[in-house]
Amino acid sequence: QVQLVESGGGVVQPGGSLRLSCAASGFTFSSYGMHWVRQAPGKGLEWVAFIRYDGSNKYYADSVKGRFTISRDNSKNTLYLQMNSLRAEDTAVYYCAKDLFTTTFYFDYWGQGTLVTVSS
Amino acid sequence: QSALTQPASVSGSPGQSITISCTGTSSDVGGYNYVSWYQQHPGKAPKLMIYDVSNRPSGVSNRFSGSKSGNTASLTISGLQAEDEADYYCSSYTSSSTLEGVFGGGTKLTVL
Repeated sequence: QVQLVESGGGVVQPGGSLRLSCAASGFTFSSYGMHWVRQAPGKGLEWVAFIRYDGSNKYYADSVKGRFTISRDNSKNTLYLQMNSLRAEDTAVYYCAKDLFTTTFYFDYWGQGTLVTVSS
Repeated sequence: QSALTQPASVSGSPGQSITISCTGTSSDVGGYNYVSWYQQHPGKAPKLMIYDVSNRPSGVSNRFSGSKSGNTASLTISGLQAEDEADYYCSSYTSSSTLEGVFGGGTKLTVL
């Protein structure tokens, strides 16, 4: 069965950095696009970033462009999100999500999420 | 990118039908048939309910259906059940300058 397990969340000061990981299993990771989606406490979903199955294309929300970097290691079945210059408004649960096909922006499997808190 | 517009809340009694709207622009909902819907129960990860405007993934009840007209997509839930009470989000992508995903603000469904 498909499993996505995020890790790396925690408390970080404004301006700091954090790297999230998402370990994937139960499907051919190297064949699917992958996304990061976040949800601020008590708020709605916000799409953050996407990476193609082979890492050749990456897309970002305007709110994180230039500060966050999505990457993947297909040999380790792992997705990453490097977050720099963190702000209070980046506080959220971060979910990794599998694309239904290659680049549909349909999220058919989600991890349980990892909480990132940006606070001094 | 601007979020898609959904009503903050809807409600219905068991057995009734409800419809949740999702309004975007010609750059997202109106421009493509790449609309999806997600159900999220408190403290849980979202679940894909509808994709390609009206297709249901395997395992999703046929009480859930989707449609689109112009810049507005809709999710209809028929035969409401207590377990349908949840938050619902629509989603699309926009390619105005680059590919980006966009969600609606979410709709809280209360089953009375």
